[in-house]
Amino acid sequence: DIQMTQSPSTVSAAVGGRVTITCRASQSISSWLAWYQQKPGKAPKLLIYRASSLESGVPSRFSGSGSGTQFTLTISSLQPDDFATYYCQQYDSYPTFGQGTKVEIK
Amino acid sequence: EMQLVESGGGLVQPGRSLRLACVASGFTFDGYAMHWVRQAPGKGPEWVSGISWNSETIAYADSVKGRFTISRDNAKNSLFLQMNSLRAEDTALYYCAKDGPLLVPTYYMDVWGKGTTVSVSS
Repeated sequence: DIQMTQSPSTVSAAVGGRVTITCRASQSISSWLAWYQQKPGKAPKLLIYRASSLESGVPSRFSGSGSGTQFTLTISSLQPDDFATYYCQQYDSYPTFGQGTKVEIK
Repeated sequence: EMQLVESGGGLVQPGRSLRLACVASGFTFDGYAMHWVRQAPGKGPEWVSGISWNSETIAYADSVKGRFTISRDNAKNSLFLQMNSLRAEDTALYYCAKDGPLLVPTYYMDVWGKGTTVSVSS
């Protein structure tokens, strides 16, 4: 299995701040990476696929980058609705998810 | 609006069976691969199984291979997961999820249901 490691596990930021989450794959996955947002009691919501393609309806303050084994999700100007847990997921082979990064209010 | 509604969860003893169902609406069900993804309390999501639009390609996570069976009925816009020999570690919220692109399975999920809870305990 391809292991996905996210960092940090928790990040604190203020509204309007910039947040960067990193995801590392245990082997190269090209650009076969998705990012999801999950709020408590809700299903994950797709934000980005193919490492940098923004899902329809997702605000442009979300962006993704990277290829191979290193990827980042950036939220350029944090809004109150963005406080949630974020997961990366590889789909180069059968899907595996990272352990999650919780974005908290500073 | 695309919607997925799961059912069939419940409390079951170890070693017993359970069958989950998912009914889709708001999109052309037979054009997309479908998946089951589970999430144990306080943990991240774990992909369980996927099935292509025509049921020709089926895949399972190692943790459920040989115990779980995925199937679909395109005429009824429905996805199923037959779970046998259940274990305590199968306890989780089980989500039905739609694959992203039309016809070509890629294994990322762009529409999710609200989930159905499976608890395995004696």
